[in-house]
Amino acid sequence: DFQMTQSPSSLSAFVGDRVTITCRASESISTYLNWYQQTPGKAPKLLISAASNLQSGVPSRFSGSGSGTDFTLTITSLQPEDFATYYCQQSYSTLPTFGQGTKVEIK
Amino acid sequence: QVQLVQSGAEVKKPGSSVKVSCKASGGTLSNYAVSWVRQAPGQGLEWMGGIIPPSRAADYAQKFKGRVTIATDASSNTVYMEMSSLTSDDTAVYYCARGSTRGTYSDYLDPWGQGTLVAVSS
Repeated sequence: DFQMTQSPSSLSAFVGDRVTITCRASESISTYLNWYQQTPGKAPKLLISAASNLQSGVPSRFSGSGSGTDFTLTITSLQPEDFATYYCQQSYSTLPTFGQGTKVEIK
Repeated sequence: QVQLVQSGAEVKKPGSSVKVSCKASGGTLSNYAVSWVRQAPGQGLEWMGGIIPPSRAADYAQKFKGRVTIATDASSNTVYMEMSSLTSDDTAVYYCARGSTRGTYSDYLDPWGQGTLVAVSS
């Protein structure tokens, strides 16, 4: 199985801060990496596919990068609505697997 | 645009079964990989299995093989997930999500259903 490890598990930040979340795959997954945002009580929402493709309607302050085993999700200027949990998901192997999540909280 | 609408919350006794439905409106599920993902309270996302309607063949994560059955009714644009032998560890929110038409479950998932809470308690 492809294991996905996110870091940190949680972080506290101020509105306006730049935030970076890392996702590491146990084996190379090329750019088959997707990012989701989940707010409490809601279903996950797709933010980025194929490591760096921003989905329609997602603010441009979100960006993704990486390939192989190391990936990052960056939020350039954190907004109040961005406080949520973020998950990475690999789509390289036959069956998908998720990272354990990174919770972004208000400082 | 397509929306996935799931059936309502369930409260079940240990040892019983539950069946959750996922119906598409404004679009189709045919030829799309439809996945089921669960989330235990305060925990992360766990892929359970999926199906590609109208095929009746489903695939499952090893952990759920033999206890989960995923089926489709293509005529009603609906996918079902049934889980048997429930325990308190199965208390979770269960989501359906649509993937791609590439014939694989391993793609991005969008959109997602609203989630169905299944609570298992004696």
